[in-house]
Amino acid sequence: GAGVSQSPSNKVTEKGKDVELRCDPISGHTALYWYRQSLGQGLEFLIYFQGNSAPDKSGLPSDRFSAERTGGSVSTLTIQRTQQEDSAVYLCASSLLGSSYNEQFFGPGTRLTVL
Amino acid sequence: GNSVTQMEGPVTLSEEAFLTINCTYTATGYPSLFWYVQYPGEGLQLLLKATKADDKGSNKGFEATYRKETTSFHLEKGSVQVSDSAVYFCAQTQGGSEKLVFGKGTKLTVNP
Repeated sequence: GAGVSQSPSNKVTEKGKDVELRCDPISGHTALYWYRQSLGQGLEFLIYFQGNSAPDKSGLPSDRFSAERTGGSVSTLTIQRTQQEDSAVYLCASSLLGSSYNEQFFGPGTRLTVL
Repeated sequence: GNSVTQMEGPVTLSEEAFLTINCTYTATGYPSLFWYVQYPGEGLQLLLKATKADDKGSNKGFEATYRKETTSFHLEKGSVQVSDSAVYFCAQTQGGSEKLVFGKGTKLTVNP
């Protein structure tokens, strides 16, 4: 079956522009996660969805970052007024149930470069 | 808060050498522990996991044992192959907080 897909795979933008990153989880997975992977900070959690609601958004670094999930499926991570420190690989993962025991399946990531 | 500390890399070994990558954690309560692997050009994938103390996770010749007394989850393999070259991440989750907390990652290079 299809895995987690993310688009675009690469995004280059200018400082100050808004960007949208998309995640398509594995069909039937109720839990969806966003992480960020950068050289300086390693892998950081951003936000977790259970269905369409986000019980944990503690990792969003500022109010320029927001995310939504619709229909219990696709999720969009939006970064407004991008800054150079936002450059990173943004990873999406999904799991069958939102449980600490359940394996999270990761997508290939979106590499964001802010010039 | 919860955290994971793993040995800094990079680690370079010859084929058939023994591998240990150390990982320790801090947590309130009893976390689940994971090793994820990222092969060159590929996404993160689960290598093995353990959900309670004294559990041993194993896969592809790799093993790690959940040690509550030392708060450790060290990754071991008896004989590494060139194809094991990758970045390895130790991680934890805890009931009530489904997010994965990762270590910094350890890059392993295995030479023929």
